[in-house]
Amino acid sequence: GAVVSQHPSWVICKSGTSVKIECRSLDFQATTMFWYRQFPKQSLMLMATSNEGSKATYEQGVEKDKFLINHASLTLSTLTVTSAHPEDSSFYICSARYRDTETQYFGPGTRLLVL
Amino acid sequence: AQKITQTQPGMFVQEKEAVTLDCTYDTSDPSYGLFWYKQPSSGEMIFLIYQGSYDQQNATEGRYSLNFQKARKSANLVISASQLGDSAMYFCAMREGLTGTASKLTFGTGTRLQVTL
Repeated sequence: GAVVSQHPSWVICKSGTSVKIECRSLDFQATTMFWYRQFPKQSLMLMATSNEGSKATYEQGVEKDKFLINHASLTLSTLTVTSAHPEDSSFYICSARYRDTETQYFGPGTRLLVL
Repeated sequence: AQKITQTQPGMFVQEKEAVTLDCTYDTSDPSYGLFWYKQPSSGEMIFLIYQGSYDQQNATEGRYSLNFQKARKSANLVISASQLGDSAMYFCAMREGLTGTASKLTFGTGTRLQVTL
């Protein structure tokens, strides 16, 4: 149990285009999902907390108009990187809080390369 | 101040030996949770073990155990009988506040473990 999927696993796009990344909890419902960003050889940095049916809560310094988050159902959250630029190239990874436990289970991540 | 500190950027251990990965934390909140995750080169984050601040006993999960020393604010991960597949990046993380309150995690900088023959 507690499987989280992400799609796509990697994406290459041109500068100026938008990219949507999906995060799904496959065998449980997740009222709260989280989006992280990880640069090479660095730790995970929380970008935003995604709550089903309400607006996402963004961390300081994260542009909400740049990184659009939609948590439309209890099993799906999406992150859209709008007007992507090369500096947005990174590893994006989502997690879902498992039921009422403390534990976050992570998706396999999405590697984004903006040319 | 760093909330989670992992002072070992890299560690080596021989196969079948035990290894301890250090983690210290900083919080003034009496309610918190501590986690360890493993990140292989593929990038996925694999949950290993959890310790709540009010838990009386150290958490254990198979070959993983958490050496929780509350007064020292340390939560070291002990891996017993290391295997080649244990080679990965290991992250310590903390959730501050009561259960259910956003559950945001703060991660340390990680320790890269290399298991040798």
